[in-house]
Amino acid sequence: DAGVIQSPRHEVTEMGQEVTLRCKLISGHNSLFWYRQTMMRGLELLIYFNNNVPIDDSGMPEDRFSAKMPNASFSTLKIQPSEPRDSAVYFCASSLGAGQGSPLHFGNGTRLTVT
Amino acid sequence: RKEVEQDPGPFNVPEGATVAFNCTYSNSASQSFFWYRQDCRKEPKLLMSVYSSGNEDGRFTAQLNRASQYISLLIRDSKLSDSATYLCVVNTGGGNKLTFGTGTQLKVEL
Repeated sequence: DAGVIQSPRHEVTEMGQEVTLRCKLISGHNSLFWYRQTMMRGLELLIYFNNNVPIDDSGMPEDRFSAKMPNASFSTLKIQPSEPRDSAVYFCASSLGAGQGSPLHFGNGTRLTVT
Repeated sequence: RKEVEQDPGPFNVPEGATVAFNCTYSNSASQSFFWYRQDCRKEPKLLMSVYSSGNEDGRFTAQLNRASQYISLLIRDSKLSDSATYLCVVNTGGGNKLTFGTGTQLKVEL
């Protein structure tokens, strides 16, 4: 079975450029989570969706960040304009069911470097 | 107070030792608890869920203490391959909002 698929695996870009990260959920899962991981702050939840609807975006750092789910199996996280402090590993994860008790399945992550 | 707190370690233990990690959480209404394992430069992977009555999976035992608001992970007969960062995960909001602790690093040595 295919797991959560993220692309690209690595992204190096210059400050001010737009960055788009992509995620394909596991088939049948209906909850989607975007996390950011840094050495200083660990894994931070940015936003999560249930059935394509954003439920909690309180972790999105600022207006430069936006996330969408155009359909039930795909999501994008966009940073515009990017800044060096956005450098981190961005993980997408999906789970089955919107209720409690459903564990997350992670993609391999996108390692973003903004110079 | 952080929503989910863990001792960052590292815990350096000899092969075959028993090691235990604790994780405290602040939201008394939390209902879902998990332990994840993360290897260097890899994604987190589910190790085990934590059930109210406690549960065991081979060498791993998870416990929940609701009164004191902490969960624990016990690893018996530790192996070199157990070296990793162990992340505590708790639902901290309504529904399925899952918050991770910063992780506890374990190093198992010969």
